[in-house]
Amino acid sequence: KQEVTQIPAALSVPEGENLVLNCSFTDSAIYNLQWFRQDPGKGLTSLLLIQSSQREQTSGRLNASLDKSSGRSTLYIAASQPGDSATYLCAVSFGATNKLIFGTGTLLAVQP
Amino acid sequence: GAVVSQHPSWVICKSGTSVKIECRSLDFQATTMFWYRQFPKQSLMLMATSNEGSKATYEQGVEKDKFLINHASLTLSTLTVTSAHPEDSSFYICSAMDSRVGETQYFGPGTRLLVL
Repeated sequence: KQEVTQIPAALSVPEGENLVLNCSFTDSAIYNLQWFRQDPGKGLTSLLLIQSSQREQTSGRLNASLDKSSGRSTLYIAASQPGDSATYLCAVSFGATNKLIFGTGTLLAVQP
Repeated sequence: GAVVSQHPSWVICKSGTSVKIECRSLDFQATTMFWYRQFPKQSLMLMATSNEGSKATYEQGVEKDKFLINHASLTLSTLTVTSAHPEDSSFYICSAMDSRVGETQYFGPGTRLLVL
């Protein structure tokens, strides 16, 4: 069974800190991996998408890496801000069907 | 661009009634739409995949006769929860993509369903 796990489940940091969120998956034969942000009671905002052939993607203060062999991805957030507070979800597509399997999420709180 | 809307944003209904949720791609054609369910403090779970003009493909454990999905046009998919019960109360989110141009799924804002 394909599973996606995220650690930590929750994280609280002071404003300005750099932080890393982790995502692991059980099957290395992934098609792509995405990181999303979800605000309370809201839908998802796509942050970064990494194809299986790529090792990292960057967007502004966000950098996502992918290591298929170890079944891991990290989301690095630089100079965190209170507005970054949200739940961060990683999702993996294991085939060309584009079906996404979501991780358990990391609830991030950035303290002003 | 790439905006997906859902209607209604929230709904409260009595047990035994049916509820229809709409998912629309506003500025692109969606060849494929996905329906997810999210229970409180849990992650999203894929319920079904629908391709325009075809029958939906349901994930294991999802009752196709209870969750009716229609994807009759390239901009609209509907999810009908038939004979809803309190355990169906959840946050339902759709996503849409145009498989002809890429693999990115665009997510709707979600519909919160409360069955009394």
